[in-house]
Amino acid sequence: QLQLQESGPGLVKASETLSVTCSVSGGSVNSISYYWGWIRQPPGKGLEWIGSIYQGGNTYYSPSLKSRVSISVDTAKNQFSLRLNSVTAADTAVYYCARHGTPISISGVIIIDWPFDSWGQGALVSVSS
Amino acid sequence: VVLTQTPLSLSVTPGQPASMSCKSDQSLLQTNGKTYLSWYLQKPGQSPQLLIFEVSSRFSGVPQRFSGSGSETDFTLEISRVEAEDVGVYYCLQGVLPFTFGPGTKVDIK
Repeated sequence: QLQLQESGPGLVKASETLSVTCSVSGGSVNSISYYWGWIRQPPGKGLEWIGSIYQGGNTYYSPSLKSRVSISVDTAKNQFSLRLNSVTAADTAVYYCARHGTPISISGVIIIDWPFDSWGQGALVSVSS
Repeated sequence: VVLTQTPLSLSVTPGQPASMSCKSDQSLLQTNGKTYLSWYLQKPGQSPQLLIFEVSSRFSGVPQRFSGSGSETDFTLEISRVEAEDVGVYYCLQGVLPFTFGPGTKVDIK
């Protein structure tokens, strides 16, 4: 059974870089069928997609975070990681990793035909001033 | 794509039906005839879990009391008979990049 587990620092200082890692078990980040994504949820608020990565390193990022985000994959460790730089209090959130289907192009529109089906339990990262 | 969900909250008597809406500011119908709109339930203190994909298909293990419907810009999630374990926040997700979630509908038990 696929399991995803986030690990992070818990507390990051404002203007520094937030880094969270997702460890995958019961499956492989090398799978050709899936992308691996990050979603965040500020306390008491809704869900925001951050970005996703494929085993070969191809990435998609949210336009609103693209300038500050980097997602990488380590197939040897079966992990993928999120880095978010220049953080502020607005980046305080639970950071979830999740799996979704490989994006496809339909008439020039990039879509995922299989949504986020497995999620980690989440890692709370707070940004202090 | 911006998704709007109504109502913001819903209080339901166990055994009674519940219905919630998700509206998109643009059609989600793709040229292949499919619509990539899914529903999630986030139970208190848990991560979201997939209920429905492609508008109306139940994910593995999801009880039959959950059903999805709709087309293009208007979508509905219905629970035929609410149970205590159904409390939480329900989110819709559209599958066109960049992926976006609705703001959620909170369901609790009367």
